Amino acid sequence: GAVVSQHPSWVICKSGTSVKIECRSLDFQATTMFWYRQFPKQSLMLMATSNEGSKATYEQGVEKDKFLINHASLTLSTLTVTSAHPEDSSFYICSARVASGARVYEQYFGPGTRLTVT
Amino acid sequence: GEDVEQSLFLSVREGDSSVINCTYTDSSSTYLYWYKQEPGAGLQLLTYIFSNMDMKQDQRLTVLLNKKDKHLSLRIADTQTGDSAIYFCAERYSTDKLIFGTGTRLQVFP
Repeated sequence: GAVVSQHPSWVICKSGTSVKIECRSLDFQATTMFWYRQFPKQSLMLMATSNEGSKATYEQGVEKDKFLINHASLTLSTLTVTSAHPEDSSFYICSARVASGARVYEQYFGPGTRLTVT
Repeated sequence: GEDVEQSLFLSVREGDSSVINCTYTDSSSTYLYWYKQEPGAGLQLLTYIFSNMDMKQDQRLTVLLNKKDKHLSLRIADTQTGDSAIYFCAERYSTDKLIFGTGTRLQVFP
């Protein structure tokens, strides 16, 4: 149980284009999803917290107009990198928090999406 | 501010025990976690410990928490080659937020 998927797993896009990454909780409902960014050989940095039906909360230093987050349902959150630049190339990982029950504060992570901007 | 530190690298022989250490700064943490990340993959939750506990054992994994020193460790007994990965400790800083450590790369050699 508690499986989170991401799509795509790997994407290459040209500078100036936008790319959308999906995060789905497959077998549970998630009122809250989180988006992280991981640079090579580094730790995960929280970018934003996404709550179903409301606006995302962004961490300091993360441009909300560049990284658009939509959490339209209890099982799906999307991250759109707009006008991508090479410095946006990174590994993006989402996680989902169980909506209710004994493990309500546990986060389950997706497999990650590697974005390369050329 | 919150800050979580780990040693970068650990190399052990197959069959030996591995001990991965972590220090944190936020004394108000409620839960502390250990995650495993294999190359090119997301994070797998291995185990966690509540802040009022000193120790938790789960099969080959033993977590020790020293709240006074803000020190957390993960011991893997009978380490196998499949345990080779990066291990992250994380503290729950608020209800939602996780602060991750710098990660320890564990290499297991035959």
